[in-house]
Amino acid sequence: AAGVIQSPRHLIKEKRETATLKCYPIPRHDTVYWYQQGPGQDPQFLISFYEKMQSDKGSIPDRFSAQQFSDYHSELNMSSLELGDSALYFCASSHRMTPGADTQYFGPGTRLTVL
Amino acid sequence: ILNVEQSPQSLHVQEGDSTNFTCSFPSSNFYALHWYRWETAKSPEALFVMTLNGDEKKKGRISATLNTKEGYSYLYIKGSQPEDSATYLCAPVSGGYNKLIFGAGTRLAVHP
Repeated sequence: AAGVIQSPRHLIKEKRETATLKCYPIPRHDTVYWYQQGPGQDPQFLISFYEKMQSDKGSIPDRFSAQQFSDYHSELNMSSLELGDSALYFCASSHRMTPGADTQYFGPGTRLTVL
Repeated sequence: ILNVEQSPQSLHVQEGDSTNFTCSFPSSNFYALHWYRWETAKSPEALFVMTLNGDEKKKGRISATLNTKEGYSYLYIKGSQPEDSATYLCAPVSGGYNKLIFGAGTRLAVHP
């Protein structure tokens, strides 16, 4: 079965650079979520989109922005990168049936390293 | 902000042992509880989504129960196998929102 695809899988950037992470949801899934997992931390919710509209927002820095496109893929744009942005970024997708109780399927993650 | 606690933090068992761990969460404004299994270097794998008080779900040797009134869920693994070694995360959802607030997880190691 098709899974969530994230690209790139690994990314190395310098401080103050920008990065774009991409997420391709499972076909027919209409909702995308982004999570950040710092070293030794639990995954933290960043932001989610349903039908191309932002549906919920978590602890996402103002330097980050995201959107969901007409084909339902999503991109997380990160600017003015800081060392503390080094983390594993997961994308998850779901098909909205019962908000809150929809199973979220996670992608393999993008590991971002900021030097 | 939800305060999610999982216990124990880590667990070492022998192959064939049965084990269980706990997820505690605020019972007010409860909407759903998600359980995930997370193996090192892989992405979290959904196990269960539970919504109703008294819910019991089962997937192979793994089962879970839910008590929304007192704010806890138990995950049971019967006859643990080395391939069950992983971190088991719970994530309650409140208010109908979809964002998962993960607990710190229980790290299970099953020794042959």
